[in-house]
Amino acid sequence: AQSVTQPDIHITVSEGASLELRCNYSYGATPYLFWYVQSPGQGLQLLLKYFSGDTLVQGIKGFEAEFKRSQSSFNLRKPSVHWSDAAEYFCAVGHNNAGNMLTFGGGTRLMVKP
Amino acid sequence: IAGITQAPTSQILAAGRRMTLRCTQDMRHNAMYWYRQDLGLGLRLIHYSNTAGTTGKGEVPDGYSVSRANTDDFPLTLASAVPSQTSVYFCASSDGEGSYNEQFFGPGTRLTVL
Repeated sequence: AQSVTQPDIHITVSEGASLELRCNYSYGATPYLFWYVQSPGQGLQLLLKYFSGDTLVQGIKGFEAEFKRSQSSFNLRKPSVHWSDAAEYFCAVGHNNAGNMLTFGGGTRLMVKP
Repeated sequence: IAGITQAPTSQILAAGRRMTLRCTQDMRHNAMYWYRQDLGLGLRLIHYSNTAGTTGKGEVPDGYSVSRANTDDFPLTLASAVPSQTSVYFCASSDGEGSYNEQFFGPGTRLTVL
């Protein structure tokens, strides 16, 4: 069965510091991978996605993620965090089954210190 | 403004009552989805619809039903609510089938079943 693990439930970083959020997946085929962000009281917004090709993908708001097949990982990074990045981040893997299902990780809540 | 609307924003419901959560999108997307979000579990798919007139079961369909009479609307019904259905419910849509299509999310409905 497919699964997504986000090992860090909470992360706190200082504004201006670099950020890496971890995501590991289990999936039998080449995965479709996504990172979504959820601001407080809001729905989810897509940050970036990987389907094939270049394993380093660029997203919105200065985020990037790198697909590493050998490690079954798709970690999200940002070189310099802004206070407005405080939110919850979800990694997801997409399936090409009848439901076009996304399997989400449990999420990582990012807090930014001034 | 194009997007997805959900109603109500929040609701407190007595166990055993019937409740319908409403979802409307104006993007003319073919596919629509209902997720529930629970702490530490990320989002889990309840039901989906690939096109008007068709629906399917997701990962956690028990206790829920959906209908898709037209492209824009995708209501979720709890026939007899139970406390374990306390959650935040998100409706989403995508332009076409296939999990590689970006899913757009509504703002959510917070449901409490007592």
